[in-house]
Amino acid sequence: AQKVTQAQTEISVVEKEDVTLDCVYETRDTTYYLFWYKQPPSGELVFLIRRNSFDEQNEISGRYSWNFQKSTSSFNFTITASQVVDSAVYFCALTEGGYQKVTFGIGTKLQVIP
Amino acid sequence: EAGVVQSPRYKIIEKKQPVAFWCNPISGHNTLYWYRQNLGQGPELLIRYENEEAVDDSQLPKDRFSAERLKGVDSTLKIQPAELGDSAVYLCASSFPRQGAGGGELFFGEGSRLTVL
Repeated sequence: AQKVTQAQTEISVVEKEDVTLDCVYETRDTTYYLFWYKQPPSGELVFLIRRNSFDEQNEISGRYSWNFQKSTSSFNFTITASQVVDSAVYFCALTEGGYQKVTFGIGTKLQVIP
Repeated sequence: EAGVVQSPRYKIIEKKQPVAFWCNPISGHNTLYWYRQNLGQGPELLIRYENEEAVDDSQLPKDRFSAERLKGVDSTLKIQPAELGDSAVYLCASSFPRQGAGGGELFFGEGSRLTVL
């Protein structure tokens, strides 16, 4: 069975601070896909990134960066120079290869204080 | 391009009453999902459709929940009768046809928040 753990339920940072959201996953498959989604107060989940299990390259997109480490089964998400608009709930998710069931973690609520 | 559309956004009902939620996915997305999100939790899959076929309904409480996707486009999720524990946000999502193995990104609607009194 696949499982996603987000140990941080809530994080508060002051604007312009960097913040890292942790994600640890469990799967028996060698082929799988990891995702991060953002859920702002409006409620609509928004896709941020998808990474497959064969690509361990870290990725940077503007102020966002992702660190994928298979050795520790982690897929952490860092926001650099946080802004108030980053305040949201962030979900890490996992899909096992060949099967489109997406399993979500419980989410990390990020509050960026001005 | 229009996103995933859900209605109603909010619904308050008495327990034992029926309720229905509607979803219109993004045009061209043949995969449609219904998720339930309880307060402080991540979304949990209720049912997944590939076109008209429900390919995964293992988490759908079939004694009171039903869903349909006639013509492989719009979908309706129904609860009858509703119980207090059904209070949650019901999310609809859609995705592109599968290309190779694995899952693609999901496009979510804003959700339907149900309160059962």
